[in-house]
Amino acid sequence: GENVEQHPSTLSVQEGDSAVIKCTYSDSASNYFPWYKQELGKRPQLIIDIRSNVGEKKDQRIAVTLNKTAKHFSLHITETQPEDSAVYFCAASGNRDDKIIFGKGTRLHILP
Amino acid sequence: NAGVTQTPKFQVLKTGQSMTLQCAQDMNHNSMYWYRQDPGMGLRLIYYSASEGTTDKGEVPNGYNVSRLNKREFSLRLESAAPSQTSVYFCASRIEGRATEAFFGQGTRLTVV
Repeated sequence: GENVEQHPSTLSVQEGDSAVIKCTYSDSASNYFPWYKQELGKRPQLIIDIRSNVGEKKDQRIAVTLNKTAKHFSLHITETQPEDSAVYFCAASGNRDDKIIFGKGTRLHILP
Repeated sequence: NAGVTQTPKFQVLKTGQSMTLQCAQDMNHNSMYWYRQDPGMGLRLIYYSASEGTTDKGEVPNGYNVSRLNKREFSLRLESAAPSQTSVYFCASRIEGRATEAFFGQGTRLTVV
C-alpha cells in the first residue's frame, strides 16, 4: 500500500524567511497530493493541493512542487509570518482505492 | 451547513468498556474516513468507506469496527477499549472522486484508563 514519508519533523525559521517541507510517496498510481495545516487544538484544514498533471502550483505565499519521476513533492512557504506556526501534513491519494494516506507531520515554528 | 460533525467531543472510558463514535456530514459526500492522531505519528487511517454500503480497512484497523449507516453517517466502534486506543479521532469526508479535498470534523479526544 501507499507510504508517505515527511521531513523534517520539526522546523524553526526566522519570521520573514522561507520554509520548505518535503514528502516522498511510494505508490506510482497516486495522483493527488494535498497539504493540510493544523493549528493547536483544531482540525486539519486544506491549504493547497496539486494533481499529477501539474508540476507546480502557487497560491500567494504558498507553493507546492511535484516531481512524479522521483515521487517527491514539497511545500514552500515564503515570507513566513507568526500565524504560519502550526503542524503541516502532506498526503497522497490515488486511483487504486479511495484511501488518503498522510505523512507524520512537520511542526513549524516561526521565530520572532 | 455544518460540514462534518463528530460526537462526542471528549470521552473517558475504562479498559474493556465499549463505545461508538458518531460522524455525520451534510455535504452529500460519498467517501468517509476515520483517522486517529497520536503525537509524532501523524494521521493514521483506521477505516474508510468509498460509498454507502461499503467499508474497507485502512492502516490501523485492529480493535475497531465501522458502520456506514447511510450516506450521511459513518460510525466507529470500540468493542473493548484498551489504553493503546487513547487518541484523538478525526472523521473526514470528500465528494466522489479521488483527487478532491477531504473535510475534517472537529475531533473526539478519547482517553482509556
